[in-house]
Amino acid sequence: LAKTTQPISMDSYEGQEVNITCSHNNIATNDYITWYQQFPSQGPRFIIQGYKTKVTNEVASLFIPADRKSSTLSLPRVSLSDTAVYYCLVGERSGNTPLVFGKGTRLSVIA
Amino acid sequence: DGGITQSPKYLFRKEGQNVTLSCEQNLNHDAMYWYRQDPGQGLRLIYYSQIVNDFQKGDIAEGYSVSREKKESFPLTVTSAQKNPTAFYLCASTPSGTGYNYGYTFGSGTRLTVV
Repeated sequence: LAKTTQPISMDSYEGQEVNITCSHNNIATNDYITWYQQFPSQGPRFIIQGYKTKVTNEVASLFIPADRKSSTLSLPRVSLSDTAVYYCLVGERSGNTPLVFGKGTRLSVIA
Repeated sequence: DGGITQSPKYLFRKEGQNVTLSCEQNLNHDAMYWYRQDPGQGLRLIYYSQIVNDFQKGDIAEGYSVSREKKESFPLTVTSAQKNPTAFYLCASTPSGTGYNYGYTFGSGTRLTVV
């Protein structure tokens, strides 16, 4: 599985846009980029997945440059309830290896 | 509603005791997983199972055991051989295969404390 690197923590004020960048220099051709969100004392939940360019859903946007060696999760106008840990994962969409969760990025939203 | 149920939510264990954490899913998912999470850390894979009556060790299987007698159930036993069992334990499932990486559904976790 491709190794990912993301910031340990980030702080933001309410109402701001937050961008979390993930580096994955050795991403393979069949790999997808997936982001999960984990609130304290809960299991992670799927946020968004993409392969290239831009993907948007009701929660977030995912920007992937042409070389796919990095990706950026964008959260528009964050609120206190967006305080959580965000995990970037890279792997085949239907491979044979369980997901490997790193330490993720701990986002703290301040009033 | 379909989902994963983990019980109990909190569990206290005396040193030297075995304890079993329950995980039940009604999603008709084939694959199930157990992860361990320590404070400020990511999730580490303990065991996973792709089909009934079959399971594989993850990265930190020592001191743990599992069974998969039914598709919907994947209990985890923390044995006395696990030297530092205090942690947050998460169960997950996927529809099929282990790399279905946008289809992971997690339970709400069991927090185990050794007293």
